[in-house]
Amino acid sequence: QVQLQESGPGLAKPSETLSLSCSVSGVSITSFHWSWVRQPPGRGLEWLGYGYNTGGSSYNPSLESRVTISLDTSKNQVSLKLRSVTAADTAVYFCARVVSSSGYEYFDYWGQGTLVTVSP
Amino acid sequence: SYELTQPPSVSVSPGQTARITCSGDALPKQYAYWYQQKAGQAPVVVIYKDSERPSGISERFSGSSSGTTVTLTISGVQAEDEADYYCHSTDSSGTVVVFGGGTKLTVL
Repeated sequence: QVQLQESGPGLAKPSETLSLSCSVSGVSITSFHWSWVRQPPGRGLEWLGYGYNTGGSSYNPSLESRVTISLDTSKNQVSLKLRSVTAADTAVYFCARVVSSSGYEYFDYWGQGTLVTVSP
Repeated sequence: SYELTQPPSVSVSPGQTARITCSGDALPKQYAYWYQQKAGQAPVVVIYKDSERPSGISERFSGSSSGTTVTLTISGVQAEDEADYYCHSTDSSGTVVVFGGGTKLTVL
């Protein structure tokens, strides 16, 4: 059974770096690509980026200068770093598994999400 | 930047059919996907590749595509279907993932 669990500090200060981990069980992270998606309170979903099992990554252009997604195969974890955070980065952060094949990619398993509040 | 447009809300009575649309210029070229998100929960995919239904998803959920609009149809709506629904696709290059703004389905 595939399970994803996000973890990390629930509070970050403005200008700091937000660091989250997604622990994956039931499947090796080397078998799939992975993604982070966030949702500000009461608002819609926003894609942050992909971490590819080949070692590469791609990011939402609106956040590309501040975000890094990486895979730690020794821990079977996917990590997210978001630099220089502001109150606008307050959101529930989800990690998700990517199902991909020729011509399509979507998210089939999601973690429960973790709320990060940016506040002095 | 590329956008997907959904109606903010749709309301139907139990047993009726709900239709939620999603419009975007790249939809004739890129697949669309639909997610159901109930309050306080993570999204769940209900339709992929415009019209395919994952295993375990009720047959009451179906998807279709016509030009720049894709539609999620929920037949015989039940109270348990009350949720936010999001479409997902990519821009014309296929490299940037975009979500629609979401549609709140209310079962009257």
